[in-house]
Amino acid sequence: GAVVSQHPSRVICKSGTSVKIECRSLDFQATTMFWYRQFPKQSLMLMATSNEGSKATYEQGVEKDKFLINHASLTLSTLTVTSAHPEDSSFYICSARVLSGNTIYFGEGSWLTVV
Amino acid sequence: RKEVEQDPGPFNVPEGATVAFNCTYSNSASQSFFWYRQDCRKEPKLLMSVYSSGNEDGRFTAQLNRASQYISLLIRDSKLSDSATYLCVVNAMGAAGNKLTFGGGTRVLVKP
Repeated sequence: GAVVSQHPSRVICKSGTSVKIECRSLDFQATTMFWYRQFPKQSLMLMATSNEGSKATYEQGVEKDKFLINHASLTLSTLTVTSAHPEDSSFYICSARVLSGNTIYFGEGSWLTVV
Repeated sequence: RKEVEQDPGPFNVPEGATVAFNCTYSNSASQSFFWYRQDCRKEPKLLMSVYSSGNEDGRFTAQLNRASQYISLLIRDSKLSDSATYLCVVNAMGAAGNKLTFGGGTRVLVKP
């Protein structure tokens, strides 16, 4: 079946630095990828919708200059957390919509800890 | 009011019993519906789509009630491995195109 790979699965970074998370669709093309954040014991919150070749659409309250999203190809989207702060520590998950349908597949998620 | 609401639970279910729970949504223009399963500290995985006429996949039955704007999931003959958080996902057309909205999840604990 379809597979979405997310990397790194875990990352620890220092406050003030930037960290990049990659999301790849391994065996299908995805014009649209989604980035979510999930705090402990809470549901997934959509951060932004990433469309291949165009600017991402951010949800209200999400700082686009802090969470940089790039979707340069049909199989890769990246999320860069800039000037990371301990409050950014969270579980970040990407998902990709299969080009021909509505089904969404999720990456394995990335645990970010900012110290 | 949240766009998609779920009873957070937990639902404590004896092994072998049946459990059912609902998810309500506020956007009457919602187009498609899904149930995802999420294990602790893992990514959500698609359990099943929800069709207008209702659908069944093994021990799992999903139903949609558009008039009352809710979907439901029923699990029969519960197994210990069914313990997880079940996320309701609603797809609606928004300003930026299709948008998935997640419910807060319903936690199910199946006990021996």
